[in-house]
Formats: sequence, structure tokens, C-alpha cells
Amino acid sequence: QVQLQESGPGLVRPSETLSLTCSVSGGPMTSFYWNWIRQSPGKGLEWIGNIYYAGSTKYSPSLRSRVTMSVDTSKNQFSLKIKSLTAADTAMYYCARGPSYGPNGYLEYWGQGILVTVSS
Amino acid sequence: DIVMTQSPDSLAVSLGERATINCKSSQSVLYNSKNKNYLAWYQQKPGQPPKLLIYWASTRESGVPDRFSGSGSGTEFTLTISSLQAEDVAVYYCQQYYDTPRTFGQGTKVEIK
Repeated sequence: QVQLQESGPGLVRPSETLSLTCSVSGGPMTSFYWNWIRQSPGKGLEWIGNIYYAGSTKYSPSLRSRVTMSVDTSKNQFSLKIKSLTAADTAMYYCARGPSYGPNGYLEYWGQGILVTVSS
Repeated sequence: DIVMTQSPDSLAVSLGERATINCKSSQSVLYNSKNKNYLAWYQQKPGQPPKLLIYWASTRESGVPDRFSGSGSGTEFTLTISSLQAEDVAVYYCQQYYDTPRTFGQGTKVEIK
């Protein structure tokens, strides 16, 4: 059974950069698309972007200027960085696996999520 | 962005009765050349991540009870729970994966009457 686990800081200061990692177990990273989604009370579920195991990325236009994703298949991990944080970035952050057929996919497996609060 | 609008925002249904949730997209999510609707449904219980129920608008994910079904095409879709069970209390979301950014509906909360 594929399992995903997010890790990173729970509290980040405004204007700083958030770095999160998703560790994948129970299945290969190759051939799949790996996604980040966040959920806040004010905005509901928001797709941040995805990265192919080979490294190509697709980001949400609203976040593109602040987001970077990377993948390390040797460690079975992929990562998210969001710079210039504000309180509006406070949310539960999830990583999820999409199917192998292409970047436009549903989200089959989800991590449990990590709550990130942006506050001084 | 494709806007996904669900209705109702919440509904209360008696145990064993049918629950119906609607989802409308601001533009078609039917990929004509593949004859597939790029529409998924998720269930989220408190303190848990969303769980995939339905993809391609009507294909049930492995392990999902057959009381859950999806229908619709183009811009209008429906998730039906044919006989509501206590464990189905949750928030349900539709999501389009036709275009970037992927977008979700605002959610429909299902409760027991």
C-alpha cells in the first residue's frame, strides 16, 4: 500500500520560506506525478502544483512566482518550497500521488497532512 | 480557472435514504477525443485527508462501496449515495483535473437526519 508522509516546520515567520518534504513508501516514485495541495478554512482545497518523477513541473498560476518543487527518487522524496510567506499561507499542507498516465490526474493517495502556521 | 460549484452546501439524510450532491463546472471537463470527463469525487472525514471515491466522473475507486456512484458529463455531475450509512458522514468534494490549475468545489457536508 502506497503511503505518503509530510514533514517540515509547523510554524514559519512571515516573509520567510516554507520547506516541506513528502516521503513515499510502499511503491515506486517512477512513472508517477506527485502533487501538493493545501487546505485552509478560508479557501478550501487548493492545488499548488505537481512534479513528475523525472523533474518536470506544473504549478498553479496563482502561486507560480513563489513555488518551487523538486524530487529525489533515490530518497523516495519530493519537496515543496514557498517563499515570501504571509498569513494567507497558513493551511494544512498535503502531498498526494497522481496516476501515471499524465499530469492531468486525480489524486489517488494522500498523506495525513501537516499544519503550517505563518506567524511572528 | 475552472470554477467548481457544488450544491447544496450541506444536507441531512436519514439512515438508509439516498443522498445526492451536485457539482457544476464553469466550462466543460469532457475531453472529447478521449470521451472522458476529467472529474473526481473525494470524501473527507474530520481530521483525515480527502479520500478518492470516484474518477473519470463515474469510475469507482477500488474498495469504495457500491452505494457510491457518480454520473454526469460536460459541466454537470452528481455523486449519489444510494443508502446512507453512519460512516458516510463527511464532507464531499468534486475536483476537475482537465485544466491547470486543478480546482475543487467548496464541499458538501453530509449529516444524519
